[in-house]
This record gives sequence, C-alpha cells and structure tokens, in this order.
Amino acid sequence: DTGVSQDPRHKITKRGQNVTFRCDPISEHNRLYWYRQTLGQGPEFLTYFQNEAQLEKSRLLSDRFSAERPKGSFSTLEIQRTEQGDSAMYLCASSSTGTSGRAQETQYFGPGTRLLVL
Amino acid sequence: GDSVTQMEGPVTLSEEAFLTINCTYTATGYPSLFWYVQYPGEGLQLLLKATKADDKGSNKGFEATYRKETTSFHLEKGSVQVSDSAVYFCALNGPGGFKTIFGAGTRLFVKA
Repeated sequence: DTGVSQDPRHKITKRGQNVTFRCDPISEHNRLYWYRQTLGQGPEFLTYFQNEAQLEKSRLLSDRFSAERPKGSFSTLEIQRTEQGDSAMYLCASSSTGTSGRAQETQYFGPGTRLLVL
Repeated sequence: GDSVTQMEGPVTLSEEAFLTINCTYTATGYPSLFWYVQYPGEGLQLLLKATKADDKGSNKGFEATYRKETTSFHLEKGSVQVSDSAVYFCALNGPGGFKTIFGAGTRLFVKA
C-alpha cells in the first residue's frame, strides 16, 4: 500500500459551482479525517469517520459541506455553491484504532486537493 | 480549548547550523505530541512523536522532548542540511484521539 491518495490534486471552479473530492485511505485504517489548510496556516479539523459512521463535525463545516464514507473505505467531500472563501487545500488523513490508546494514534496524510474558487 | 503555539517563521539558517523551533501547547489531560513536516509540493509527513511526559521522539537527526512542566515540545537538530528546507508543524492529539490540532507552521530555509 502506498499511502493515502486524493483526487483530484487541483481543482479550479467558478463561484456557485459544486465540487466533489475523493480520498482513499490506507486500506487497513478504519478512521478517516478531513482537514482544511489555508495559506500560511496549519490544517484545521473538519470531520472524521470511524468505518462508515461520521462521528464528529467541526463548526467550520457549514451546511454547504457534506462528507460521506458509504462503505467504510473511500470518502468523498462535497462543497455545494462554492464561495471564494472555500479556496484552500483539503487534506485527508487516516489512522487505525490501536491497542495502546487513542491519543497515540498517528494520522497519515494524503497529498491534498488544492481548490481555487474564482 | 486545546491549542498549539509555535514560533513564527521564516527561519533562515546556513547549512550545518543548529536548529531549534519552539512549540508550546495548551491541553486538558495528557495529549500525544507530534512534529509534522511538509516539503514543497508534498503532503504532511510525520517526523516524530512522543506520547507521554519526558518521552523523546527522534527521526532523521531531529529530536523533541515532551516537557509537561513547561508544556513544550521544541524541535531540534544539530546540523541542518539544505534538504531540510520545509514547513514544520507542531501538533497535539488529545485524549479523544480523533482530532489533531496543529500550530500555524514554521517555514525553514537552509542555505548552502
């Protein structure tokens, strides 16, 4: 396995259009996370899944954002009616629930999808 | 809430210089602490981690020690190389385990 993959790597869209991003986690990982990173900042948590269940959503995730992980494997993040403020790098990460304690989990990140809304 | 503060960059060093990037945190409970690195055009990579007080994480010549008394996790390297030029992020993972909180990142430039 070569790690977390994301598609597309880059997306340019016009304001008001819908976009969808895909993330394929490391195959044995049951947890999947989405983050958003704006220029000059660290990643900010958006949401996370354990298997197919979405267990936590950040206040950053407005009603225009929706994420799914229908079969507990790949995940999609959709942004409806995009706004210029949505321009950012969208990062996906995955991890496995270890036996040593959840706080020790290491999250493995994909290369990200860079979104530019014109 | 939990937070991470790291020194602002950019940091510019000559090759073989000593590196320190300061990181302090605020958290409830006993978080795990991480340093991630982001090379130009690439995704985040885990550099090192420490899961309890006084643990030292190390990798590729980088080290950081989990100091609970000063709530710090400073990154150090004795002799930097041009290839170390990147953005370094300090991060914590709280007891809930599902959300990693990142600092703003510190950009390092190493000159030959």
